[in-house]
Amino acid sequence: DSGVTQTPKHLITATGQRVTLRCSPRSGDLSVYWYQQSLDQGLQFLIQYYNGEERAKGNILERFSAQQFPDLHSELNLSSLELGDSALYFCASSPGQGRAGELFFGEGSRLTVL
Amino acid sequence: SQKIEQNSEALNIQEGKTATLTCNYTNYSPAYLQWYRQDPGRGPVFLLLIRENEKEKRKERLKVTFDTTLKQSLFHITASQPADSATYLCAPASGYALNFGKGTSLLVTP
Repeated sequence: DSGVTQTPKHLITATGQRVTLRCSPRSGDLSVYWYQQSLDQGLQFLIQYYNGEERAKGNILERFSAQQFPDLHSELNLSSLELGDSALYFCASSPGQGRAGELFFGEGSRLTVL
Repeated sequence: SQKIEQNSEALNIQEGKTATLTCNYTNYSPAYLQWYRQDPGRGPVFLLLIRENEKEKRKERLKVTFDTTLKQSLFHITASQPADSATYLCAPASGYALNFGKGTSLLVTP
């Protein structure tokens, strides 16, 4: 158990809908990362937050947004969903800003868009 | 653009042999490189981190090398066991973001 909690574990929805994925980092970790993993693309970095502030941005679509709250939990919002958004979404946390530390991953949220 | 390449073909080896996985990267100079293990449907788990000024790092049956001239890291598992079967991801890093290769699938057969 990494200590990172993601909810929901599974989510099935329709195209055009909006969903919110939630992540609680390990106790004391200030950084949260979001990744998308699909079969053909591998693990794609979306965005990183450190202590409530955005630190780095990857290939995150404009339809996706995220934030980190004062209690350090984070949410990833996916809107106007398309079939291609079906994937495993992972959250990871680390104690510092992530320059040289390992990441602790949650078990992921599996999103299926029908 | 930055690229991370790992062998896309699965690596099949016999129990007891040494598995060697390759990670090549282009268009950036990572200050450190991490290796993770991922089992099907699970989150990646950290294995080892090696810094740019380190040539080699070991942890139990694992060994990682980092050649910044060749822009390559090699990941070795000695005395491999069926329980080592998984996908192994490399992540060269500079800056805040951590980008991963697509991973190499390792299958160790008894």
